[in-house]
Amino acid sequence: DAGVIQSPRHEVTEMGQEVTLRCKPISGHNSLFWYRQTMMRGLELLIYFNNNVPIDDSGMPEDRFSAKMPNASFSTLKIQPSEPRDSAVYFCASRTWVTQYFGPGTRLTVL
Amino acid sequence: TQLLEQSPQFLSIQEGENLTVYCNSSSVFSSLQWYRQEPGEGPVLLVTVVTGGEVKKLKRLTFQFGDARKDSSLHITAAQPGDTGLYLCAGAHDDMRFGAGTRLTVKP
Repeated sequence: DAGVIQSPRHEVTEMGQEVTLRCKPISGHNSLFWYRQTMMRGLELLIYFNNNVPIDDSGMPEDRFSAKMPNASFSTLKIQPSEPRDSAVYFCASRTWVTQYFGPGTRLTVL
Repeated sequence: TQLLEQSPQFLSIQEGENLTVYCNSSSVFSSLQWYRQEPGEGPVLLVTVVTGGEVKKLKRLTFQFGDARKDSSLHITAAQPGDTGLYLCAGAHDDMRFGAGTRLTVKP
């Protein structure tokens, strides 16, 4: 199995631009998680899905952030408009029962 | 406030020393996981513990889940420079919440 796949690996954009991060979970995993990691705040859960349905988005910072999971093999996290404080590494993870596996992350820099 | 408190936050030791890091919470978890993360990479799962009092060994690493399933410890014997990294614990309910991590440096 290729593991959790994220794209792009690095994204540099200017403030105000729209950013879309993509994730392909491990086949057969029924839960998908989006996290953000910074030195100051550590690893924060943004949102998670069970069977493609958003369950808890209380970690999403504000309305500028949105996430979708149109099918079992694909999810997106969108930031519109982006701000410098959104700069972080964004991880996607998928899980079956108790075992969760992370993707390599997308390093986002907003100038 | 972190749901899971990890200690110490930073640890720097010499190669060959032993160490223990802790993960504590007031919440009961159905399972708890330990991850190691290296710079530029995502967290990599080391172990999952499910049963209260469970002890798992992975070569020089020993993981223990508290009897009440609220806390856990990770003990490393004879640490090596390759053990350097950020060690994260995560507790599972319906979602999974992470501690802030212990950043371990093992000097040759």
